[in-house]
Amino acid sequence: QVQLVQSGAEVKKPGASVKVSCKASGYTFSDYNMHWVRQAPGQGLEWMGRIVPKSGGTNYAQKFQGRVTMTRDTSITTVYMELSSLRSDDTAVYYCARGDKFFFEYWGQGTLVTVSS
Amino acid sequence: QSALTQPPSASGSPGQSVTISCTGTSSDVGAYNNVSWYQQYPGKAPKPMIHEVSKRPSGVPDRFSGSKSGNTASLTVSGLQAEDEADYYCCSNAGSNNWVFGGGTKLTVL
Repeated sequence: QVQLVQSGAEVKKPGASVKVSCKASGYTFSDYNMHWVRQAPGQGLEWMGRIVPKSGGTNYAQKFQGRVTMTRDTSITTVYMELSSLRSDDTAVYYCARGDKFFFEYWGQGTLVTVSS
Repeated sequence: QSALTQPPSASGSPGQSVTISCTGTSSDVGAYNNVSWYQQYPGKAPKPMIHEVSKRPSGVPDRFSGSKSGNTASLTVSGLQAEDEADYYCCSNAGSNNWVFGGGTKLTVL
């Protein structure tokens, strides 16, 4: 069965970077794009961007351009999302989600990133 | 890209029907039949309930239905059950490989 397993919770200081991983299994890794969505405490979902595992090509939401980098390692079927210059309002749960044509059918369990001095 | 507009809350009694709206623009909801809806319980990952405006993923009860008119999409939950109490989010493709979510609606079963 399809599984997306994310790395554990992180605590970072303002100005630092964080890198969250998402290991995929149960399907052909290169056949589906992977998206990243975040949710601040008590807030709604926010799309951050996506990576095309086959090519490594990326598309980022304008809000995160210049601060986010999505990469993948096909040898271990894992995608990564790195967010730099962290601020307190980057405190959120970060999800990876497999893109099935026009929606996100499978989601990771979420990774809490806390930014605090 | 601005978030799609959803009512913050909706409610209904068991057995009733409730409809949640999702308003976007001619650049997102109005431009593509790629609206999807997600159900989220507290502390859990979202679960897709509707995709491509009105299609249900396998396992989703047919009490959940979707539609779209112009720049507004809607999710209708018929025969409300206690387990339907959750947050619901719409999402639309916004062109150029961009996606946008709604602000979310908290559905309360009275």
